[in-house]
Amino acid sequence: AQKITQTQPGMFVQEKEAVTLDCTYDTSDQSYGLFWYKQPSSGEMIFLIYQGSYDEQNATEGRYSLNFQKARKSANLVISASQLGDSAMYFCAMREGGDSGGGADGLTFGKGTHLIIQP
Amino acid sequence: GAGVSQSPSNKVTEKGKDVELRCDPISGHTALYWYRQSLGQGLEFLIYFQGNSAPDKSGLPSDRFSAERTGGSVSTLTIQRTQQEDSAVYLCASSLASYARQETQYFGPGTRLLVL
Repeated sequence: AQKITQTQPGMFVQEKEAVTLDCTYDTSDQSYGLFWYKQPSSGEMIFLIYQGSYDEQNATEGRYSLNFQKARKSANLVISASQLGDSAMYFCAMREGGDSGGGADGLTFGKGTHLIIQP
Repeated sequence: GAGVSQSPSNKVTEKGKDVELRCDPISGHTALYWYRQSLGQGLEFLIYFQGNSAPDKSGLPSDRFSAERTGGSVSTLTIQRTQQEDSAVYLCASSLASYARQETQYFGPGTRLLVL
């Protein structure tokens, strides 16, 4: 079973509209972290936002917010007032473990959503 | 430099040759990660270092892949006897430490490897 599922391979959105990118995850750990990264056509992975499994409030970073529903194991990214520069691949990722000081492993990524903002 | 740097940015090699990819993490970051991004497999985690130590090498695709890190800074990923399926973008990331799940990993621009 996939650990990170992004069900939207591609999305077209009008400029200035809000966008929600879906992400569901699968883990049996109680402690985990969820990340969203943006990858423009240049190829570099850009960190956007983080949500911890124990965080009670949804994370926000500027125009980005995370709609975290722990019971449903979903962590959707919301981009408000989309801009042309938001056109890119968006990846949801999870990191499990690391609470006991034993070290945490690398990120597990979803397959991504290709977001295109239209003028 | 300010961010993670990787070299070379592009590498074309012939099947069967060895290649070395280099990663220079953000200054002060003790944890370093290698990933591979390919069309067929998406983004795969390969290996991480905390300091010079790599606790788990099971993510490396085969025994042709090896990685080392010396001096707690620069890391090299070596692929021996390259195969065409090794063609991918190899991404390196670093974070302050690997002990906490919330540590953000910052990525370099990647090395695009093409094996002919």
